[in-house]
Amino acid sequence: KAGVTQTPRYLIKTRGQQVTLSCSPISGHRSVSWYQQTPGQGLQFLFEYFSETQRNKGNFPGRFSGRQFSNSRSEMNVSTLELGDSALYLCASSSNRENHYGYTFGSGTRLTVV
Amino acid sequence: AQSVTQLGSHVSVSEGALVLLRCNYSSSVPPYLFWYVQYPNQGLQLLLKYTSAATLVKGINGFEAEFKKSETSFHLTKPSAHMSDAAEYFCAVSPPLPGGYQKVTFGTGTKLQVIP
Repeated sequence: KAGVTQTPRYLIKTRGQQVTLSCSPISGHRSVSWYQQTPGQGLQFLFEYFSETQRNKGNFPGRFSGRQFSNSRSEMNVSTLELGDSALYLCASSSNRENHYGYTFGSGTRLTVV
Repeated sequence: AQSVTQLGSHVSVSEGALVLLRCNYSSSVPPYLFWYVQYPNQGLQLLLKYTSAATLVKGINGFEAEFKKSETSFHLTKPSAHMSDAAEYFCAVSPPLPGGYQKVTFGTGTKLQVIP
């Protein structure tokens, strides 16, 4: 059974650019959550999708957006990149509607903004 | 609102010694609780979860955790540390809202160092 796949693994962008990150959940998982991880802030919740609907959103500016497709694959987009957006972005999928079984995480996308 | 507090951002133990990583939660109702482990440049991996069945939960790699409602704690233990246990560990909480949804909240993490 394939795990959660995040692409790309590493990304270097310039301030002001935009970036799109992709996440393919485990087959059959309909819930996909995104987290930003930085040394200073730890794991910060970005948003969560279930069956193409955004169910919850964290406290991030509107430059951060996401979507989920009918096959449960998800993308997140960050526009007008800032240096502070440099982080490990983690995607997690869950088989349970309420996420009570726990997450399966991808290996993350390491974004560096220069 | 739910929250978790992990005591100690860094913990060092000798190889073969007991591992104890502390987690206290705050939730209006008995929650679901999780421990995850993260190795460098990797995502998080689920170690174990408490979902209101047995209060002593056994997970992978010899780890276990005990849910103590009276102490609002869910500490992670392992009898004998191995070098491969060196990683960062996260406690997480999710309230059991029937039919609803609330995001999983993670603690700030504890980095475990194992000294040979």
